[in-house]
Amino acid sequence: DAGVTQSPTHLIKTRGQQVTLRCSPKSGHDTVSWYQQALGQGPQFIFQYYEEEERQRGNFPDRFSGHQFPNYSSELNVNALLLGDSALYLCASSLAGQRETQYFGPGTRLLVL
Amino acid sequence: AQSVAQPEDQVNVAEGNPLTVKCTYSVSGNPYLFWYVQYPNRGLQFLLKYITGDNLVKGSYGFEAEFNKSQTSFHLKKPSALVSDSALYFCAVSALSSGSARQLTFGSGTQLTVLP
Repeated sequence: DAGVTQSPTHLIKTRGQQVTLRCSPKSGHDTVSWYQQALGQGPQFIFQYYEEEERQRGNFPDRFSGHQFPNYSSELNVNALLLGDSALYLCASSLAGQRETQYFGPGTRLLVL
Repeated sequence: AQSVAQPEDQVNVAEGNPLTVKCTYSVSGNPYLFWYVQYPNRGLQFLLKYITGDNLVKGSYGFEAEFNKSQTSFHLKKPSALVSDSALYFCAVSALSSGSARQLTFGSGTQLTVLP
């Protein structure tokens, strides 16, 4: 049973660039949430997607956007990168009836120079 | 708004001794509570959860946690620590009041070091 997968594992960008991160949910899961984990901190909720729509959003600017595909996989896009966007980006998947129980992928480490 | 406090940044314990990692929470309504573990350069691994029912919850790798509603706490425990338990532990809360998304709010983490 495949768990949550994310790509790429690491990424280096420069300020002002745009980045796309990808996530495939655990088999059978239809809901994907994205979190940002800055160094030395706990993860912070960015947004959640199910039925191909953004359903809830945390306190993140519009530079952060996402998409969910019919196969439930998801992308996180960040525009106009800032140094402060450097973090571990975690994807979590869950079932529609049990959204509180989320299973996390290994994350994508983004470094903005 | 919901919040989680992990009052100890670092917990050190000798191998074979019992361990406790503390967590308190604040939420409107009934909480859903979770513990996750993170190893270096890795994502979060689910350990256990409390949704309803018995206040003592058993999880993976011999860990357990006790829900205490009056003290709004959900401390993680293990009777006998292993060196391999050394990692970063996160407590998280979710609630019906957070909306249908059930977003998780995490504490700042506690670094557990088990000394041989």
